Amino acid sequence: DQQVKQNSPSLSVQEGRISILNCDYTNSMFDYFLWYKKYPAEGPTFLISISSIKDKNEDGRFTVFLNKSAKHLSLHIVPSQPGDSAVYFCAASETGANSKLTFGKGITLSVRP
Amino acid sequence: KAGVTQTPRYLIKTRGQQVTLSCSPISGHRSVSWYQQTPGQGLQFLFEYFSETQRNKGNFPGRFSGRQFSNSRSEMNVSTLELGDSALYLCASSSLTSGSYNEQFFGPGTRLTVL
Repeated sequence: DQQVKQNSPSLSVQEGRISILNCDYTNSMFDYFLWYKKYPAEGPTFLISISSIKDKNEDGRFTVFLNKSAKHLSLHIVPSQPGDSAVYFCAASETGANSKLTFGKGITLSVRP
Repeated sequence: KAGVTQTPRYLIKTRGQQVTLSCSPISGHRSVSWYQQTPGQGLQFLFEYFSETQRNKGNFPGRFSGRQFSNSRSEMNVSTLELGDSALYLCASSSLTSGSYNEQFFGPGTRLTVL
């Protein structure tokens, strides 16, 4: 049973526009959420995170929104740049198992020049 | 600071053999986690070690094991290799004192191919 779901396998956007990457989860015990970015032949790189006590966290061009009632989070990238083209993973953890991250299967973002 | 390092980067083994992968965490990080990445299952948590003790474990068979040394370096071992063990094995380290709760830093991974 997949507890973190990224239902869209890919997304293509024009440079300068907004990229919105979605993630849904089923485990109500999850209380911390992270987004990672991964290039081929490299390990995932941490992007941004959010605790369940917040509904928004912003870091430069990246903003993560959390809707606990809908068990949904999204990553907004504004403006999108060609260097943002990569696979993005949503991950979640719960108190008591802090270092155990449950990942979605990832979404491939392509930013067209 | 140097990042997380993993050795070897690539490995080819045959079914039935065993393999040991190594991970050196970021200096000062005491928590080391291991993940398996496959095209079908994505990234799956194997186990986590903290201060030489396994603290969390994922849903993998007993053929997958690990350990952590006093300098926080970690190894994972897979015995009696199966074709389905072919994957990218990722190691991640984290610091409990980090201001970013539960942020984990990943190494580049070891690509294991089982023939």
